[in-house]
Amino acid sequence: EVRLLESGGGLVQPGGSLRLSCAASGFTFNTYAMTWVRQAPGKGLEWVSAVSDSADETKYAASVKGRFTISRDNSKNTLYLQMNSLRAEDTALYYCARDYACDHWGQGTLVTVSS
Amino acid sequence: QSVLTQPPSASGTPGQRVTISCSGSSSNIGSNTVNWYQQFPGTAPKLLIYFNNQRPSGVPDRFSGSKSGASASLAISGLQSEDEADYYCAVWDDSLNAGVFGGGTKLTVL
Repeated sequence: EVRLLESGGGLVQPGGSLRLSCAASGFTFNTYAMTWVRQAPGKGLEWVSAVSDSADETKYAASVKGRFTISRDNSKNTLYLQMNSLRAEDTALYYCARDYACDHWGQGTLVTVSS
Repeated sequence: QSVLTQPPSASGTPGQRVTISCSGSSSNIGSNTVNWYQQFPGTAPKLLIYFNNQRPSGVPDRFSGSKSGASASLAISGLQSEDEADYYCAVWDDSLNAGVFGGGTKLTVL
């Protein structure tokens, strides 16, 4: 069974940083691209970032480019999202999902940016 | 404001067929495959349709997808009360070099 478990969310002040993690199990992690998607409270889904299976290719939404960095450790079956210079508008539930197609999702970790 | 346009709401009665549209452009739907997701309140989204019209195992054949030019549609036939959820289209955008989601459609079963 595919399982994705996000962690690392919390309350952070504007301008601060957080690193999200996504622990994967139930599939061969290093053969799949991985994606981060977020959902602000009461709003729709927003694609954030994706990384290829070997981490040689990364993509970002314009809203986070230059502030967020996606990475992965295939030896630990873990996906990361380093978030810097956080803004109030980054407040959201952050999901990790398998593959560019997002065929399996975690339950999300909540990030709140507020002073 | 998403680059993919969905109606904010749709509705139907049990047994009816409803369709949800997703309008894009040549740089996204016009040149890439479309996925559809279903999300119930308080839960993670679930992949419903991939590659425009393919259903993952376990998805009832009441759900179908189609694409024509720069637009895509999700059809639900034999509508059931448990289909009441939010539905999102998604696709890769070559101009943005990023993925994009539609704004979502809230389906109400009357």
